[in-house]
Amino acid sequence: SSELTQDPAVSVALGQTVRITCQGDNVRNYHASWYQQKPGQAPVLVTYGDNNRPSGIPDRFSGSSTGNTASLTITGAQAEDEAEYYCNSRGSSNDYMVFAGGTKLTVL
Amino acid sequence: QVQLQEAGPGLVKPSETLSLTCSVSAYSINSGPFWGWVRQPPGKGLEWVGSISPTGGTAYNPSLRGRVTMSVDTSKNQFSLKLTSVIAADTSVYYCTREVDDGRLLEHRIDYWGQGTLVTVSS
Repeated sequence: SSELTQDPAVSVALGQTVRITCQGDNVRNYHASWYQQKPGQAPVLVTYGDNNRPSGIPDRFSGSSTGNTASLTITGAQAEDEAEYYCNSRGSSNDYMVFAGGTKLTVL
Repeated sequence: QVQLQEAGPGLVKPSETLSLTCSVSAYSINSGPFWGWVRQPPGKGLEWVGSISPTGGTAYNPSLRGRVTMSVDTSKNQFSLKLTSVIAADTSVYYCTREVDDGRLLEHRIDYWGQGTLVTVSS
């Protein structure tokens, strides 16, 4: 079983708020980073660390963490946010990184 | 703006060695901090393969240890991946990446990605 777990699919109505979660023991000790991937494209970093966003990423994307759960929140989801989202954090022995299985976000 | 470009054979036979190179442009590979590989089987999720520092320090996915080797060629501003004894399950799009790891802030990110190259393992 994967060290990090995400729900396979989530949907949100256009303009509404959606939270995508990532669970794993090591999320308690190490920040998660989040990546957006659209079909046929390389992933793009959307949040990392303590709610940091790279330049060019809209501020509707935010990251947070509580206990063993990291979250990516999209406030006011747009049609262009429809994509696969992956979280990434440290593995259990701290000397490698691991991705969760991804969440497919559908914007209705 | 860091630019990354993967290169290598698109078809590898089972039991042989997969070899890929990533060329770094508009940035010195010596500045790191880390250079890595992520792969994605067709229709599936992302898998972190490993990373290397400009001085050659490595970290690998435990599931691939023993088969994976990474290296850096600072004279060519390139880094490389070798995966031995490949099987069909190694068929993936392979992305080269730049990684930033801050142990003090307990954060890590992959901030630059190549476009990816599909490697198929088949006879």
